[in-house]
Amino acid sequence: DSGVTQTPKHLITATGQRVTLRCSPRSGDLSVYWYQQSLDQGLQFLIQYYNGEERAKGNILERFSAQQFPDLHSELNLSSLELGDSALYFCASSVRGRYQETQYFGPGTRLLVL
Amino acid sequence: GNSVTQMEGPVTLSEEAFLTINCTYTATGYPSLFWYVQYPGEGLQLLLKATKADDKGSNKGFEATYRKETTSFHLEKGSVQVSDSAVYFCALSELTQGGSEKLVFGKGTKLTVNP
Repeated sequence: DSGVTQTPKHLITATGQRVTLRCSPRSGDLSVYWYQQSLDQGLQFLIQYYNGEERAKGNILERFSAQQFPDLHSELNLSSLELGDSALYFCASSVRGRYQETQYFGPGTRLLVL
Repeated sequence: GNSVTQMEGPVTLSEEAFLTINCTYTATGYPSLFWYVQYPGEGLQLLLKATKADDKGSNKGFEATYRKETTSFHLEKGSVQVSDSAVYFCALSELTQGGSEKLVFGKGTKLTVNP
């Protein structure tokens, strides 16, 4: 158990809908990362937050957004969902989000868009 | 940009066989290197890491050495068990703006160990 929690574990929805994925980092970690794992793209970095502020952006679609709250949990919002958004979404956390720190991953949320 | 290349899978071995999963990388600077493991139906777990050249990471009988001259970080285990069946990901840390970082992953190598 990494100490990072993600809810829900599974999510099934329809095209055009909006969903929210939730992540709670390890106790004491200030930095949260989101990654997408899909069959065609593999594991890709989406976005990082540090202590409530966006710190880095990767291959995140404009239909996707995220935020980190004062209690340090983070939410990833996916809207206008398409079939291709079906994937496993991971959250990871680290202490400060500094270069060469270890990231610890949650169990993931499996999203299926029908 | 930076990239990681892993050997194509799947890899199928018998119990107690020797395991090598090749990983090479392309990067500017001196990234940290990681191996993560994903057991069936589960998330990613950190297996081992190395932060500088010639460092050896090790955990649960697995080892990998950071080779700067060959830009490699091959994963090895002397005697695999059925419980090692999983997907293994090699990754490097890439510096982003503001001193932050992201992980760049290889495509993963699926290992199946038969009794």
